[in-house]
Amino acid sequence: AQKITQTQPGMFVQEKEAVTLDCTYDTSDPSYGLFWYKQPSSGEMIFLIYQGSYDQQNATEGRYSLNFQKARKSANLVISASQLGDSAMYFCAMREEVIQGAQKLVFGQGTRLTINP
Amino acid sequence: EPEVTQTPSHQVTQMGQEVILHCVPISNHLYFYWYRQILGQKVEFLVSFYNNEISEKSEIFDDQFSVERPDGSNFTLKIRSTKLEDSAMYFCASSVSGATNEKLFFGSGTQLSVL
Repeated sequence: AQKITQTQPGMFVQEKEAVTLDCTYDTSDPSYGLFWYKQPSSGEMIFLIYQGSYDQQNATEGRYSLNFQKARKSANLVISASQLGDSAMYFCAMREEVIQGAQKLVFGQGTRLTINP
Repeated sequence: EPEVTQTPSHQVTQMGQEVILHCVPISNHLYFYWYRQILGQKVEFLVSFYNNEISEKSEIFDDQFSVERPDGSNFTLKIRSTKLEDSAMYFCASSVSGATNEKLFFGSGTQLSVL
């Protein structure tokens, strides 16, 4: 079964508009963490935002916010006032089984976001 | 900002050859990881390393794979006898701790092509 599902292979958005990237997850563990990473064309994976399963409030980091709906098992990334530099691949990931403190991330397929001028 | 450095950025090898991928994690980090991404597929966990030993590994990480921290700064992934299906982008990552909300810092990756 898919642990992390990103249903949007590609998104095209006008500059300065807000954009929502979808992510749903599947776990029976009550304790988990959700991450979003950005992968620009240069290849590196850049951490954007984190949401813990017990966090009461939605996470925010600058222009990034996470719309966390626990009952629906969704953790959508919202980017406000999009910029040309936001064009990249975006991955949703879930921390699974912290064994001996190790971070084992399970990734979704990713969404390629293109910002048009 | 400190970063995880991976070399080489591209590696081409013949099937059956050994390859070593190099990584320099961020200096004060204690946890190290390798992930890989086959073209068009998801990023997959390979192995995590802490306190000079493997803390967890995936099914992909079979006897052909090994990791090593030969000195205080480098973290290597060795593939003993490469197969065509090992062709992928390999990412090294590190984190300060194993805390639940700890972010992983990733390198830019090594694109491995097995011919």
